[in-house]
Amino acid sequence: DAKTTQPTSMDCAEGRAANLPCNHSTISGNEYVYWYRQIHSQGPQYIIHGLKNNETNEMASLIITEDRKSSTLILPHATLRDTAVYYCIVRPKGIQGAQKLVFGQGTRLTINP
Amino acid sequence: GAGVSQSPSNKVTEKGKDVELRCDPISGHTALYWYRQSLGQGLEFLIYFQGNSAPDKSGLPSDRFSAERTGGSVSTLTIQRTQQEDSAVYLCASSSSPTGHMNTEAFFGQGTRLTVV
Repeated sequence: DAKTTQPTSMDCAEGRAANLPCNHSTISGNEYVYWYRQIHSQGPQYIIHGLKNNETNEMASLIITEDRKSSTLILPHATLRDTAVYYCIVRPKGIQGAQKLVFGQGTRLTINP
Repeated sequence: GAGVSQSPSNKVTEKGKDVELRCDPISGHTALYWYRQSLGQGLEFLIYFQGNSAPDKSGLPSDRFSAERTGGSVSTLTIQRTQQEDSAVYLCASSSSPTGHMNTEAFFGQGTRLTVV
């Protein structure tokens, strides 16, 4: 699996957009970019995923560069409840079905009042 | 059920004892994953079941660890002769995975906190 590189920690002011970068320079054509987050003492929570095109859902937006070597997760109006560890994961498109998720160390995002 | 259910939520055991951790995935989900997370650390992949295929056991740290999934639903993670370094939160996740379709999100349970004393 391709590896990802994320900053260890980031801070963002409440109400501002939080932009979390992820490098995945060795990603291959059949690999998706997934984002999960883990709020303290809870199990990880799916946020969003994409292949080539930018994606948006009710939680966040995912911007993937044209060469697919990096991506940015955007939380448009961060709240205190968005404080969590955010994981960027590269995952092969399954032929036989879903493939395992391999988590890195993630980015610890702290939203400040 | 509404989500992935794990039991017990907390388990304290004596060093050397065997423990069994249970995971009830979301009904109909064919993929099931086990992870563990030591205090302040990231998630460590343990084992992955996908339908009737042979499980991916590449993450199991030693032969003291084993897991099975009966009837394609409930899974049990067994740790034999527990050691203090086995203390961690053990997380289970499941996802629906229609063959030939793109990946789908995994839903995680709240975990079992195992403490070996």
